[in-house]
Amino acid sequence: QSALTQPASVSGSPGQSITISCTGTSSDVGTYNYVSWYQQHPGKAPKLMIYDVTNRPSGVSSRFSGSKSGNTASLTISGLQAEDEAHYYCSSYTSSSTLVFGGGTILTVL
Amino acid sequence: QVQLVESGGGVVQPGGSLRLSCAVSGITFSSYGMHWVRQAPGKGLEWVAFIRYDGANKNYADSVKGRFTISRDNSKNTMYLQMNSLRGEDTAVFYCAKESGWMTTVYTSFDYWGQGTLVTVSS
Repeated sequence: QSALTQPASVSGSPGQSITISCTGTSSDVGTYNYVSWYQQHPGKAPKLMIYDVTNRPSGVSSRFSGSKSGNTASLTISGLQAEDEAHYYCSSYTSSSTLVFGGGTILTVL
Repeated sequence: QVQLVESGGGVVQPGGSLRLSCAVSGITFSSYGMHWVRQAPGKGLEWVAFIRYDGANKNYADSVKGRFTISRDNSKNTMYLQMNSLRGEDTAVFYCAKESGWMTTVYTSFDYWGQGTLVTVSS
């Protein structure tokens, strides 16, 4: 199972919006609405930010939103804040009954 | 609150074995599937294995199939990962993570994570 494709890096200024893409195939992202997004700060465990494509867990800021079109899912962060600087990973359930992550995207807040 | 605490990591020689444990508190452990996820130094996340809430279904990444075995003891609120025939490429921080879905066989997402335990495979 190949990893989902994410851009290696994205950046934005405080207050701006950014979008991170996550491209899979018809065997994962394109078929299942089980795409989730995780934020990971250095030396810390990942934190769930979005599940089932669009849903936010309790306690996660409404500045984070998710969407999907075809084989590509996206995470959008609006009103960028310095604390948003971190690595972001997408994941999806697959037709092989496995789970696959994206390679990760480092977000830099300029 | 929900807590997941991994233990059992350490340094092991290539070809050796190690057993990781994940002690869980704050939830009805027997109602949730559990996962192991690993992260090699400086690299991204890699899903390793899943065990259903009742232990009846287990699935593995191709990279560990036949070498790793996931198990759980619901009476002890603990999950395990038996790792055999370890290789250098298995060096990673291993996280245990709780499946978000209640009593599900499908993997939706991980809503709670432990802090991880480091496994180093080196001679």
